[in-house]
Amino acid sequence: GAGVSQSPSNKVTEKGKDVELRCDPISGHTALYWYRQSLGQGLEFLIYFQGNSAPDKSGLPSDRFSAERTGGSVSTLTIQRTQQEDSAVYLCASSFGSDTIYFGEGSWLTVV
Amino acid sequence: AQSVAQPEDQVNVAEGNPLTVKCTYSVSGNPYLFWYVQYPNRGLQFLLKYITGDNLVKGSYGFEAEFNKSQTSFHLKKPSALVSDSALYFCAVKDDYKLSFGAGTTVTVRA
Repeated sequence: GAGVSQSPSNKVTEKGKDVELRCDPISGHTALYWYRQSLGQGLEFLIYFQGNSAPDKSGLPSDRFSAERTGGSVSTLTIQRTQQEDSAVYLCASSFGSDTIYFGEGSWLTVV
Repeated sequence: AQSVAQPEDQVNVAEGNPLTVKCTYSVSGNPYLFWYVQYPNRGLQFLLKYITGDNLVKGSYGFEAEFNKSQTSFHLKKPSALVSDSALYFCAVKDDYKLSFGAGTTVTVRA
């Protein structure tokens, strides 16, 4: 597609359940990012991929959070044993090398 | 570490009036600065960037930004605001490979 595609766009899950959020970057983009946007916290960096490797995972808030990228393309962010404080918008972004970073529409996660 | 600050949480202007959204930066070396806009319930959209060259950068939707090295500022401007410009605006600086964002400024343009 023309832009960064994320799914699901909205997800409501029960506390304690696992969730998977998917990101399909712009074709040919080598770099992929996950950010989190929550009230009062602004935009937080979570993880950076270059190809399939993640040289910077420093923003993942706990070991319940993990992410992978396969084939230098699609990425999945997994949150295990979700907590209410995980409720946020999870934004994926991609870029070609060090060029402009483009964002998707986000996955809106609500933990009840 | 590179950082940006947006000193105003909210900006309110009347349609047709000039719009300015402020951003100041703190970087070592040459700054790579960006503006993004977020409309309600949407993702971030890229507006413009400053890498090097002319201090006045033109971007999407009639927006422009002025890089001022002496004042360490990168303010976003639009000569004549539209109601449809009402949104959340983020300034960002590229720190090596990732973006660090300001807290955001909510712009409301009244008809």
